Amino acid sequence: RKEVEQDPGPFNVPEGATVAFNCTYSNSASQSFFWYRQDCRKEPKLLMSVYSSGNEDGRFTAQLNRASQYISLLIRDSKLSDSATYLCVVNKVGGGKLIFGQGTELSVKP
Amino acid sequence: DADVTQTPRNRITKTGKRIMLECSQTKGHDRMYWYRQDPGLGLRLIYYSFDVKDINKGEISDGYSVSRQAQAKFSLSLESAIPNQTALYFCATEREYEQFFGPGTRLTVL
Repeated sequence: RKEVEQDPGPFNVPEGATVAFNCTYSNSASQSFFWYRQDCRKEPKLLMSVYSSGNEDGRFTAQLNRASQYISLLIRDSKLSDSATYLCVVNKVGGGKLIFGQGTELSVKP
Repeated sequence: DADVTQTPRNRITKTGKRIMLECSQTKGHDRMYWYRQDPGLGLRLIYYSFDVKDINKGEISDGYSVSRQAQAKFSLSLESAIPNQTALYFCATEREYEQFFGPGTRLTVL
């Protein structure tokens, strides 16, 4: 089992749609969780951290379910500019490193 | 100016050649990383360094070596390049679990 697994993509949605991505992680001792965004042929950049109580940043909402070991990202009112690959990231327990999921591609169409 | 820079940005080389990819940062971070990214496989960690005197292998270090010349510089070498090392290579720095990536080096080994 991969340490971090994401929904297979691509997700193709119309502008204005709400889209949700899920991610599961294998190590129950993981403490830090993130969503990164990667535009085509560009470097990944931090989108948002994921906190235990859930957190929101504008149209983006991140949730953590420790019991089920999954993380979600909800994007409301999708924009064309949201088209990118979204990477789920979890800290490596005891290793001080980050583990990246393979990414889920989102394409928002007019 | 970019905080994390990589040179070269693109490189085409032949099997058996020695290649060095360079990474420099002005963020003052101690932690630096080298990843490769392949379609469908996400980011995979090659080597990482928590400070100038600390270098560690990642999950796919075979065929690669690194040098941490200073806090600001972390180089990746392919001693004898082979075609399956064709990939997009990213350098990153880290502070408090947020990673900052360079723009990437696209390497093609013929």
